[in-house]
Amino acid sequence: NAGVTQTPKFQVLKTGQSMTLQCAQDMNHEYMSWYRQDPGMGLRLIHYSVGAGITDQGEVPNGYNVSRSTTEDFPLRLLSAAPSQTSVYFCASRRGDGTNEKLFFGSGTQLSVL
Amino acid sequence: AQSVTQLDSQVPVFEEAPVELRCNYSSSVSVYLFWYVQYPNQGLQLLLKYLSGSTLVKGINGFEAEFNKSQTSFHLRKPSVHISDTAEYFCAVRDFGNEKLTFGTGTRLTIIP
Repeated sequence: NAGVTQTPKFQVLKTGQSMTLQCAQDMNHEYMSWYRQDPGMGLRLIHYSVGAGITDQGEVPNGYNVSRSTTEDFPLRLLSAAPSQTSVYFCASRRGDGTNEKLFFGSGTQLSVL
Repeated sequence: AQSVTQLDSQVPVFEEAPVELRCNYSSSVSVYLFWYVQYPNQGLQLLLKYLSGSTLVKGINGFEAEFNKSQTSFHLRKPSVHISDTAEYFCAVRDFGNEKLTFGTGTRLTIIP
């Protein structure tokens, strides 16, 4: 199994550009989430989803959109990139039935906004 | 609202010495508690978790943690560290009934040969 796959691994954007970070999991996990990691701030939750068609906001949702049309995919969209969105982004998933609380993480996307 | 405090941003330890990484949480309800580890240039992976039952939890790579409800703590310990334990360690909390997992700011563990 591939687990959680994120693409791209690296991206450089100019201010105002838009892009989509892709996340796919092959474990049939109901719960998926996006975090951003910044030095000294740990991981902060951007958006999460408990199943197809259901999404909700985390701590830092402004400037980001998500959708969940399938169980496998949970893309993160930056509508108009800003330098403050320079960060490392991680997608994570887990089962939603309470039997296993372990979060599986992707390898991350390093985003720079100039 | 749930929150996590990791009191030490960096901890240097000599090889084969014991280590304790501190974590305190805040919540008004019962919680699930976790420690995750991030090796350089990688994603996070689960070290151990407390869901219920015994307050002493054993994880991978010889780590263990103890849930202390009265002190709202979940400190991570290892009796003898190795160079391969060099990584950043994150404590995390999730309230019962809340889908959001909240992470602390991390503790960078550096092993001195």
